[in-house]
Amino acid sequence: GIQVEQSPPDLILQEGANSTLRCNFSDSVNNLQWFHQNPWGQLINLFYIPSGTKQNGRLSATTVATERYSLLYISSSQTTDSGVYFCAVYNDYKLSFGAGTTVTVRA
Amino acid sequence: NAGVTQTPKFRILKIGQSMTLQCAQDMNHNYMYWYRQDPGMGLKLIYYSVGAGITDKGEVPNGYNVSRSTTEDFPLRLELAAPSQTSVYFCASSYPRGEAFFGQGTRLTVV
Repeated sequence: GIQVEQSPPDLILQEGANSTLRCNFSDSVNNLQWFHQNPWGQLINLFYIPSGTKQNGRLSATTVATERYSLLYISSSQTTDSGVYFCAVYNDYKLSFGAGTTVTVRA
Repeated sequence: NAGVTQTPKFRILKIGQSMTLQCAQDMNHNYMYWYRQDPGMGLKLIYYSVGAGITDKGEVPNGYNVSRSTTEDFPLRLELAAPSQTSVYFCASSYPRGEAFFGQGTRLTVV
């Protein structure tokens, strides 16, 4: 099956800092999503981004499908950004997840 | 719209008991999925369905069964619960290749 690798596994930020999370995948995909899992365990949809660039407030994402990677940018981080960020790719009828990046934002 | 609704939210089972986790969606999505998430880990696919009457195994199907008799519902059955099935279970739905939406999860403990 398809392999999805996320880096870094852990990230500690000071409030106000910027950061970039990466997602690499091993095969062509039909779509790619980014999720935020908050401290209560809820999965929040951030971006549905098979290709190109999207922005939503302080978050933005870029997927380069031909090179099999996606990036999630967090700007001016806030403590509410803490949690686990997952990348998931759709291939062969299945949505496969990476192991996630755990982000801790300190005040 | 409620989106994807999972019941129950929490459950404690004794070893050897059985139960059904319920999942319903009101978005008329063809595709539905069941995942489990162990502590500190990512989500692993248990079963998925591409439409009513059609189901298939994911990465970790052993110990589980599913059925899909309607577009809206996709229950997950645990037979003979084991401690290794202690996990958080998520249900999701989507259009083909479309954006997936997740339920709130069911936290299951087997003791």
